[in-house]
Amino acid sequence: GAVVSQHPSRVICKSGTSVKIECRSLDFQATTMFWYRQFPKQSLMLMATSNEGSKATYEQGVEKDKFLINHASLTLSTLTVTSAHPEDSSFYICSARDRQVGTGELFFGEGSRLTVL
Amino acid sequence: AQSVTQLGSHVSVSEGALVLLRCNYSSSVPPYLFWYVQYPNQGLQLLLKYTTGATLVKGINGFEAEFKKSETSFHLTKPSAHMSDAAEYFCAVGSYGNNRLAFGKGNQVVVIP
Repeated sequence: GAVVSQHPSRVICKSGTSVKIECRSLDFQATTMFWYRQFPKQSLMLMATSNEGSKATYEQGVEKDKFLINHASLTLSTLTVTSAHPEDSSFYICSARDRQVGTGELFFGEGSRLTVL
Repeated sequence: AQSVTQLGSHVSVSEGALVLLRCNYSSSVPPYLFWYVQYPNQGLQLLLKYTTGATLVKGINGFEAEFKKSETSFHLTKPSAHMSDAAEYFCAVGSYGNNRLAFGKGNQVVVIP
């Protein structure tokens, strides 16, 4: 199956700093990638839809200036958490859809656990 | 809008017993249905999916699910639970041309030796 890779898998940072998380589709092209946030023992909360070559579409209640998304190529999307605070600590997961496959299946990255001190 | 209902956040099953996870969906268009599994501190892995055709779908690790349109259900089963089945399971619904999937709240499966 298609592979999506996220990096870093774990990151610890100080409050006020910015953190960038990368999401790569390794063996397919993804015109659309999705970023989720997952709180402990809860489901995935869609944060934004990342479209290659255009601005991301953010879900209601998600601050676009705080969670910067860039989808510069068909295989890479990045999420930057700016001026991170402890409440931003969470598990962030990306997913991508293979543009060649029309079944709607999403392929997920391994997730990135952010801890803000 | 599409939505998924998964009841019972925690499901305990004895090793060797039947695993049954219920999923009911709501969709105004023909649905695509998915079951994903998540192990601790990992992303989601596709177990199986239904798009069109045969309503009984077989997936990885011995799991299968049956699409029942009349019941708007897509329940996941496995005849005999294994310790390695302990994980979080998510049901999701999408459709042709729809960019997003709607996820259920998940079931945490605990396998008792």
